[in-house]
Amino acid sequence: DAGVTQSPTHLIKTRGQQVTLRCSPKSGHDTVSWYQQALGQGPQFIFQYYEEEERQRGNFPDRFSGHQFPNYSSELNVNALLLGDSALYLCASSLGGGNPYEQYFGPGTRLTVT
Amino acid sequence: GDSVTQMEGPVTLSEEAFLTINCTYTATGYPSLFWYVQYPGEGLQLLLKATKADDKGSNKGFEATYRKETTSFHLEKGSVQVSDSAVYFCALSDHKGSNYKLTFGKGTLLTVNP
Repeated sequence: DAGVTQSPTHLIKTRGQQVTLRCSPKSGHDTVSWYQQALGQGPQFIFQYYEEEERQRGNFPDRFSGHQFPNYSSELNVNALLLGDSALYLCASSLGGGNPYEQYFGPGTRLTVT
Repeated sequence: GDSVTQMEGPVTLSEEAFLTINCTYTATGYPSLFWYVQYPGEGLQLLLKATKADDKGSNKGFEATYRKETTSFHLEKGSVQVSDSAVYFCALSDHKGSNYKLTFGKGTLLTVNP
């Protein structure tokens, strides 16, 4: 049973560019949440997708957007990259609209903005 | 808003030593509480959880008790192993309506020496 997978593993971008990160949830899960983990910090909630809609959002600017596909996979898009966007981006999947008791995390995508 | 404060690291112990990592929280509702562990180069793994006051979560020799009166959820292990070296995150999920996002502390790096 495949767990949560994310791609790519690492990414280097230049300030002002745009980036797309991808997440495939654990088999059977229908909800995807995205988190940003800056170096030495705990993960910060970006947003959550359920039934192909954004149902919650954390304190992140509109430069951060996302999408969920009918197969429940998800993308995180960040526009106009800033140096401060450098972080590990984690995807977590769960069942039933964000069950907090069983959130499974992927290994993350390390984004470096230069 | 919700917040989690956990013991500053790093924590360095010898094998078989007793471990305590302190965690306190602020939440307006009745949160569920979690400890996650992050091994080097990996994503987060749920270590244990407690969903109501006085519940004790336990897993792999780790324990934490939900103390509502002191708003605490301290992580303990009686005898640590080198393989326990990792970053530990305390987190909460406050069930406000459909709000199931996780709020994390900053993490505590544990190093166990042989």
